[in-house]
Amino acid sequence: DVKVTQSSRYLVKRTGEKVFLECVQDMDHENMFWYRQDPGLGLRLIYFSYDVKMKEKGDIPEGYSVSREKKERFSLILESASTNQTSMYLCASSLGLAGNTGELFFGEGSRLTVL
Amino acid sequence: GDSVTQMEGPVTLSEEAFLTINCTYTATGYPSLFWYVQYPGEGLQLLLKATKADDKGSNKGFEATYRKETTSFHLEKGSVQVSDSAVYFCALLNTNAGKSTFGDGTTLTVKP
Repeated sequence: DVKVTQSSRYLVKRTGEKVFLECVQDMDHENMFWYRQDPGLGLRLIYFSYDVKMKEKGDIPEGYSVSREKKERFSLILESASTNQTSMYLCASSLGLAGNTGELFFGEGSRLTVL
Repeated sequence: GDSVTQMEGPVTLSEEAFLTINCTYTATGYPSLFWYVQYPGEGLQLLLKATKADDKGSNKGFEATYRKETTSFHLEKGSVQVSDSAVYFCALLNTNAGKSTFGDGTTLTVKP
Protein backbone atom coordinates (compact mmCIF):
# COMPACT_ATOMS: atom_id res chain seq x y z
CA ASP A 1 0.00 0.00 0.00
CA VAL A 2 1.33 3.42 -0.95
CA LYS A 3 2.29 5.67 1.88
CA VAL A 4 3.35 9.25 2.51
CA THR A 5 4.42 9.83 6.08
CA GLN A 6 4.76 13.20 7.74
CA SER A 7 6.92 13.17 10.83
CA SER A 8 4.74 15.23 13.15
CA ARG A 9 0.96 15.51 13.28
CA TYR A 10 0.96 18.45 15.69
CA LEU A 11 3.66 21.00 16.49
CA VAL A 12 3.69 24.12 18.64
CA LYS A 13 6.56 26.54 18.11
CA ARG A 14 7.46 30.06 19.16
CA THR A 15 7.91 33.04 16.88
CA GLY A 16 11.44 33.13 15.48
CA GLU A 17 12.13 29.43 15.93
CA LYS A 18 13.46 27.33 13.05
CA VAL A 19 10.98 24.60 12.12
CA PHE A 20 11.57 21.42 10.14
CA LEU A 21 8.69 19.44 8.66
CA GLU A 22 9.70 16.06 7.29
CA CYS A 23 7.99 13.96 4.66
CA VAL A 24 8.90 10.48 3.46
CA GLN A 25 7.28 8.45 0.69
CA ASP A 26 7.80 4.76 0.00
CA MET A 27 6.51 4.64 -3.58
CA ASP A 28 9.72 5.63 -5.42
CA HIS A 29 7.93 8.72 -6.74
CA GLU A 30 9.95 11.38 -8.54
CA ASN A 31 7.73 14.34 -7.66
CA MET A 32 7.12 15.71 -4.19
CA PHE A 33 5.12 18.74 -3.06
CA TRP A 34 4.43 20.86 -0.01
CA TYR A 35 1.06 22.59 0.35
CA ARG A 36 -0.50 24.59 3.11
CA GLN A 37 -4.20 24.32 3.80
CA ASP A 38 -6.15 27.19 5.34
CA PRO A 39 -9.92 27.53 5.80
CA GLY A 40 -11.52 29.19 2.81
CA LEU A 41 -8.26 29.23 0.85
CA GLY A 42 -8.02 25.61 -0.19
CA LEU A 43 -4.56 24.19 -0.82
CA ARG A 44 -1.75 26.49 -1.88
CA LEU A 45 1.51 25.18 -3.27
CA ILE A 46 4.64 26.25 -1.39
CA TYR A 47 7.43 24.31 -3.12
CA PHE A 48 7.82 21.22 -5.23
CA SER A 49 10.60 18.99 -6.48
CA TYR A 50 10.94 16.81 -9.57
CA ASP A 51 14.15 15.11 -8.59
CA VAL A 52 16.79 14.82 -5.92
CA LYS A 53 18.43 18.17 -5.17
CA MET A 54 15.96 19.96 -7.43
CA LYS A 55 13.34 22.40 -6.19
CA GLU A 56 10.85 24.80 -7.71
CA LYS A 57 8.94 27.63 -6.12
CA GLY A 58 5.21 27.25 -5.90
CA ASP A 59 2.66 30.01 -5.43
CA ILE A 60 3.59 31.06 -1.89
CA PRO A 61 7.30 30.29 -1.26
CA GLU A 62 8.08 33.36 0.87
CA GLY A 63 9.28 32.46 4.34
CA TYR A 64 9.93 28.82 3.42
CA SER A 65 12.72 26.70 2.00
CA VAL A 66 12.99 23.02 1.15
CA SER A 67 15.54 20.27 0.96
CA ARG A 68 15.57 17.08 -1.06
CA GLU A 69 18.78 15.15 -0.48
CA LYS A 70 17.22 11.73 -1.09
CA LYS A 71 14.49 10.68 -3.48
CA GLU A 72 12.14 9.53 -0.74
CA ARG A 73 12.46 12.53 1.57
CA PHE A 74 11.32 16.13 1.14
CA SER A 75 11.73 18.58 4.00
CA LEU A 76 10.04 21.93 4.50
CA ILE A 77 11.95 24.50 6.53
CA LEU A 78 10.65 27.63 8.19
CA GLU A 79 13.81 29.61 8.90
CA SER A 80 12.12 31.94 11.39
CA ALA A 81 8.57 30.97 12.17
CA SER A 82 5.92 33.66 12.32
CA THR A 83 2.33 33.58 13.55
CA ASN A 84 0.97 33.86 10.00
CA GLN A 85 2.57 30.51 9.26
CA THR A 86 0.18 28.79 11.64
CA SER A 87 -1.52 26.33 9.33
CA MET A 88 -2.00 22.73 8.22
CA TYR A 89 0.88 21.57 6.04
CA LEU A 90 0.33 18.74 3.57
CA CYS A 91 3.01 16.78 1.78
CA ALA A 92 2.21 14.92 -1.43
CA SER A 93 4.01 12.84 -4.04
CA SER A 94 3.36 11.64 -7.57
CA LEU A 95 5.03 9.67 -10.33
CA GLY A 96 7.31 11.43 -12.79
CA LEU A 97 6.42 12.08 -16.40
CA ALA A 98 6.65 8.44 -17.37
CA GLY A 99 3.44 6.75 -16.33
CA ASN A 100 2.18 9.81 -14.55
CA THR A 101 -1.57 9.68 -14.16
CA GLY A 102 -1.44 12.94 -12.28
CA GLU A 103 -2.74 11.51 -9.04
CA LEU A 104 -1.28 13.02 -5.89
CA PHE A 105 -0.75 10.87 -2.80
CA PHE A 106 -1.02 12.85 0.41
CA GLY A 107 0.26 12.47 3.92
CA GLU A 108 -2.04 13.03 6.89
CA GLY A 109 -0.84 16.56 7.45
CA SER A 110 1.14 18.46 10.07
CA ARG A 111 -0.74 21.06 12.04
CA LEU A 112 1.68 23.82 13.06
CA THR A 113 0.83 26.47 15.62
CA VAL A 114 3.22 29.39 16.01
CA LEU A 115 2.79 31.37 19.21
CA GLY B 1 -2.62 31.30 -14.64
CA ASP B 2 -4.63 28.22 -13.82
CA SER B 3 -7.55 28.46 -11.42
CA VAL B 4 -10.35 26.31 -10.03
CA THR B 5 -13.62 27.66 -8.68
CA GLN B 6 -15.83 25.48 -6.53
CA MET B 7 -19.30 25.92 -5.18
CA GLU B 8 -19.11 27.56 -1.80
CA GLY B 9 -20.07 25.60 1.25
CA PRO B 10 -20.89 24.38 3.66
CA VAL B 11 -23.46 22.04 2.17
CA THR B 12 -25.83 20.18 4.48
CA LEU B 13 -28.02 17.38 3.16
CA SER B 14 -30.21 14.65 4.56
CA GLU B 15 -29.27 11.04 3.98
CA GLU B 16 -30.31 9.74 0.54
CA ALA B 17 -30.50 13.25 -0.95
CA PHE B 18 -28.97 14.08 -4.35
CA LEU B 19 -25.62 15.85 -4.28
CA THR B 20 -24.10 18.28 -6.76
CA ILE B 21 -20.94 20.25 -6.11
CA ASN B 22 -20.10 22.61 -8.96
CA CYS B 23 -16.57 23.06 -10.21
CA THR B 24 -15.31 25.20 -13.09
CA TYR B 25 -11.75 25.79 -14.18
CA THR B 26 -9.48 28.06 -16.19
CA ALA B 27 -6.37 26.54 -17.69
CA THR B 28 -4.16 26.61 -20.73
CA GLY B 29 -3.85 23.47 -22.79
CA TYR B 30 -5.61 20.27 -21.83
CA PRO B 31 -5.53 19.70 -18.10
CA SER B 32 -6.48 16.53 -16.26
CA LEU B 33 -9.26 17.01 -13.70
CA PHE B 34 -9.67 15.48 -10.27
CA TRP B 35 -11.89 15.34 -7.24
CA TYR B 36 -10.16 14.67 -3.92
CA VAL B 37 -11.89 13.98 -0.61
CA GLN B 38 -10.63 14.74 2.89
CA TYR B 39 -12.31 12.91 5.75
CA PRO B 40 -12.03 14.42 9.25
CA GLY B 41 -8.52 14.18 10.64
CA GLU B 42 -7.05 12.73 7.46
CA GLY B 43 -5.10 13.84 4.41
CA LEU B 44 -6.62 14.14 0.96
CA GLN B 45 -7.25 11.08 -1.16
CA LEU B 46 -8.24 10.76 -4.77
CA LEU B 47 -11.96 10.23 -5.33
CA LEU B 48 -12.10 10.23 -9.13
CA LYS B 49 -10.41 11.70 -12.18
CA ALA B 50 -10.81 12.38 -15.90
CA THR B 51 -7.97 13.02 -18.29
CA LYS B 52 -9.70 14.25 -21.46
CA ALA B 53 -12.87 15.91 -22.68
CA ASP B 54 -16.09 13.90 -22.26
CA ASP B 55 -14.42 11.39 -19.96
CA LYS B 56 -16.50 10.42 -16.95
CA GLY B 57 -14.78 9.59 -13.69
CA SER B 58 -16.63 7.49 -11.13
CA ASN B 59 -15.99 5.93 -7.75
CA LYS B 60 -18.05 5.00 -4.66
CA GLY B 61 -21.25 6.20 -6.36
CA PHE B 62 -19.77 9.61 -7.21
CA GLU B 63 -19.49 10.77 -10.82
CA ALA B 64 -18.10 13.75 -12.70
CA THR B 65 -17.85 14.44 -16.43
CA TYR B 66 -15.09 16.51 -18.05
CA ARG B 67 -16.94 19.20 -20.04
CA LYS B 68 -14.50 21.17 -22.14
CA GLU B 69 -17.16 23.41 -23.71
CA THR B 70 -18.27 24.69 -20.30
CA THR B 71 -14.89 24.16 -18.57
CA SER B 72 -16.65 22.27 -15.81
CA PHE B 73 -16.24 19.09 -13.76
CA HIS B 74 -19.26 18.95 -11.44
CA LEU B 75 -19.38 16.23 -8.79
CA GLU B 76 -22.64 14.29 -8.36
CA LYS B 77 -23.99 11.46 -6.26
CA GLY B 78 -27.51 10.16 -6.42
CA SER B 79 -27.95 9.22 -2.77
CA VAL B 80 -25.56 10.47 -0.10
CA GLN B 81 -24.78 8.70 3.16
CA VAL B 82 -23.65 10.00 6.52
CA SER B 83 -20.24 8.51 5.81
CA ASP B 84 -19.87 10.89 2.83
CA SER B 85 -19.47 13.81 5.21
CA ALA B 86 -16.10 15.31 4.29
CA VAL B 87 -14.40 18.17 2.49
CA TYR B 88 -14.32 17.83 -1.31
CA PHE B 89 -11.67 19.48 -3.46
CA CYS B 90 -11.76 19.95 -7.20
CA ALA B 91 -8.32 20.12 -8.82
CA LEU B 92 -6.62 20.29 -12.18
CA LEU B 93 -3.21 19.12 -13.29
CA ASN B 94 -1.46 21.26 -15.83
CA THR B 95 0.67 18.62 -17.50
CA ASN B 96 2.98 21.24 -19.01
CA ALA B 97 3.78 22.82 -15.66
CA GLY B 98 3.62 19.52 -13.78
CA LYS B 99 1.71 20.93 -10.84
CA SER B 100 -1.84 20.81 -9.57
CA THR B 101 -4.17 23.68 -8.73
CA PHE B 102 -6.93 23.19 -6.16
CA GLY B 103 -10.26 24.81 -5.46
CA ASP B 104 -11.07 26.13 -2.01
CA GLY B 105 -12.89 22.97 -0.95
CA THR B 106 -16.55 22.35 -0.15
CA THR B 107 -17.56 20.94 3.23
CA LEU B 108 -20.38 18.42 3.02
CA THR B 109 -22.35 17.33 6.07
CA VAL B 110 -24.92 14.57 5.70
CA LYS B 111 -27.47 14.21 8.49
CA PRO B 112 -29.33 10.97 9.27
